[in-house]
Amino acid sequence: AQTVTQSQPEMSVQEAETVTLSCTYDTSENNYYLFWYKQPPSRQMILVIRQEAYKQQNATENRFSVNFQKAAKSFSLKISDSQLGDTAMYFCAFMNTGTASKLTFGTGTRLQVTL
Amino acid sequence: NAGVMQNPRHLVRRRGQEARLRCSPMKGHSHVYWYRQLPEEGLKFMVYLQKENIIDESGMPKERFSAEFPKEGPSILRIQQVVRGDSAAYFCASSPPGTQQETQYFGPGTRLLVL
Repeated sequence: AQTVTQSQPEMSVQEAETVTLSCTYDTSENNYYLFWYKQPPSRQMILVIRQEAYKQQNATENRFSVNFQKAAKSFSLKISDSQLGDTAMYFCAFMNTGTASKLTFGTGTRLQVTL
Repeated sequence: NAGVMQNPRHLVRRRGQEARLRCSPMKGHSHVYWYRQLPEEGLKFMVYLQKENIIDESGMPKERFSAEFPKEGPSILRIQQVVRGDSAAYFCASSPPGTQQETQYFGPGTRLLVL
């Protein structure tokens, strides 16, 4: 079974600064997808970014980018120019392409953006 | 294009009652997933359905829980004889058929409180 580990329960960053959230995962599969979801205080789950394991190029979405290290099974999220609206829980998630499409989530990192 | 709709947003039940949670996927989406989020935890997969078919129910408790996605109408997650431990946020997600199937879009969730 796949597992996803987020070792930082809480993080804090000042507005306009950069922060990196870590995520590691365990799988024996070669093809899979990785995601970062954001859950603000409203508790809506919002897709931030996705990465296909077969792509070497790291995914980017505006201020959000990932550092995908397949051999190390690491998938960190970098948020540049942090904004107050980035305050949220961030969940890393894994999906195996070889089976039914369920997401396996980590326990989350609570990010607080401060003035 | 409206997002994934869930209702009710909040549901209060007394122990022993039934809870029915509804999910309408995004237009054009034929895959529906249900996840449960206990307080201060990540989301846990429950069930994956396509129209009139349960594809993967490996995360569903063996008793009291059932799910359906009929040919017409929303997907329903049904919890019979609720207990206090069922109190959680229940999220529905949907994904389109074909090559973008791996990206799941979440609804706002239903917060179930069992008294």
